[in-house]
Amino acid sequence: DAGITQSPRYKITETGRQVTLMCHQTWSHSYMFWYRQDLGHGLRLIYYSAAADITDKGEVPDGYVVSRSKTENFPLTLESATRSQTSVYFCASMGAEETQYFGPGTRLLVL
Amino acid sequence: GQNIDQPTEMTATEGAIVQINCTYQTSGFNGLFWYQQHAGEAPTFLSYNVLDGLEEKGRFSSFLSRSKGYSYRLLKELQMKDSASYLCAGMNNNAGNMLTFGGGTRLMVKP
Repeated sequence: DAGITQSPRYKITETGRQVTLMCHQTWSHSYMFWYRQDLGHGLRLIYYSAAADITDKGEVPDGYVVSRSKTENFPLTLESATRSQTSVYFCASMGAEETQYFGPGTRLLVL
Repeated sequence: GQNIDQPTEMTATEGAIVQINCTYQTSGFNGLFWYQQHAGEAPTFLSYNVLDGLEEKGRFSSFLSRSKGYSYRLLKELQMKDSASYLCAGMNNNAGNMLTFGGGTRLMVKP
């Protein structure tokens, strides 16, 4: 189906484990983004990518790694998860007129 | 960067009119977005203003004043389904046209 999808939708992990959140879009949009959403902070940009093999840090990149080998995929990896990374993670891609379209989100709990 | 300020919560009655305000710093400003987010769901695009003035679409309007660093989202003939968070986001051309989101305004519509 066309659109932007994320997997898994829910994830429980333990402190210190590596976790990868997947994001896939079928629009061939160049720009893709990862945000986290926490109570009291709104949406904060973690990393973004302007095209395949081009990524850059956002507002809160520490503890996260991204890659973009293909235009349609933009995985986010927590190399060693911490409790402070418990959050809801949204992936987005940018279409016409710089409008961002969001995936359904991944709810991550780090114990 | 940009600071985006909006009220945390608002309450209104079904059938009434409500105005959700948003203020932002003007440095590098290149457009103002409004998104709607229902509880547990992803943000969805509502409107994009880059020029001063009011844009109307059905029950909804969005206004921008670039000189005052001010925007609002107006909802008329409120319906229960309008209960959601409304996110204001500024685009900054000094930061690669990235979006900075406010914390969101949670609107509760009462019968």
